Amino acid sequence: KAGVTQTPRYLIKTRGQQVTLSCSPISGHRSVSWYQQTPGQGLQFLFEYFSETQRNKGNFPGRFSGRQFSNSRSEMNVSTLELGDSALYLCASSLELTGELFFGEGSRLTVL
Amino acid sequence: GENVEQHPSTLSVQEGDSAVIKCTYSDSASNYFPWYKQELGKRPQLIIDIRSNVGEKKDQRIAVTLNKTAKHFSLHITETQPEDSAVYFCAAANTGNQFYFGTGTSLTVIP
Repeated sequence: KAGVTQTPRYLIKTRGQQVTLSCSPISGHRSVSWYQQTPGQGLQFLFEYFSETQRNKGNFPGRFSGRQFSNSRSEMNVSTLELGDSALYLCASSLELTGELFFGEGSRLTVL
Repeated sequence: GENVEQHPSTLSVQEGDSAVIKCTYSDSASNYFPWYKQELGKRPQLIIDIRSNVGEKKDQRIAVTLNKTAKHFSLHITETQPEDSAVYFCAAANTGNQFYFGTGTSLTVIP
């Protein structure tokens, strides 16, 4: 069974630009969540989607948004990039309503 | 919202010794407490989890204990090996897959 796939793996953007990250969950997993990982801050929850509906949203500004498609694939978008948005963005899928998260390898975003 | 605190931030142990990592949480509604291991440059992976109706769970050299009254849970690794070296994250969740993670413990096992 294929794992969680995230694209792109690495990207460099400049301040003010916008970026879209993609996540393909494990087949059969309907829950997809996104986390921002930075040194010293650990993993911070961005949002979670289940069957195309956003179930939960973390404490991030409105510049961070996401969506989920009918095939459970998910995208997150960050508009008007700031230097502080540089981070590893991890996507995770889950089979259960509250259960084990299967993480992708992440998309490493650098904002210059 | 939930707040998860994790200690220590770094931990060094001799091979064969035990390692203990502690976490506290603030929301009494949290009922699922997983632990994830992240090796350098790799994705986090679940190593053990516990739900609120259980006080302790063990899987070979790894155990987790939960004290709901005190709102804390701990990871215990016995007979540590060099391959246990990694960053460990605790987390707490209520309903849905909205997890609140601790800031991580970097464990180094010295051969």
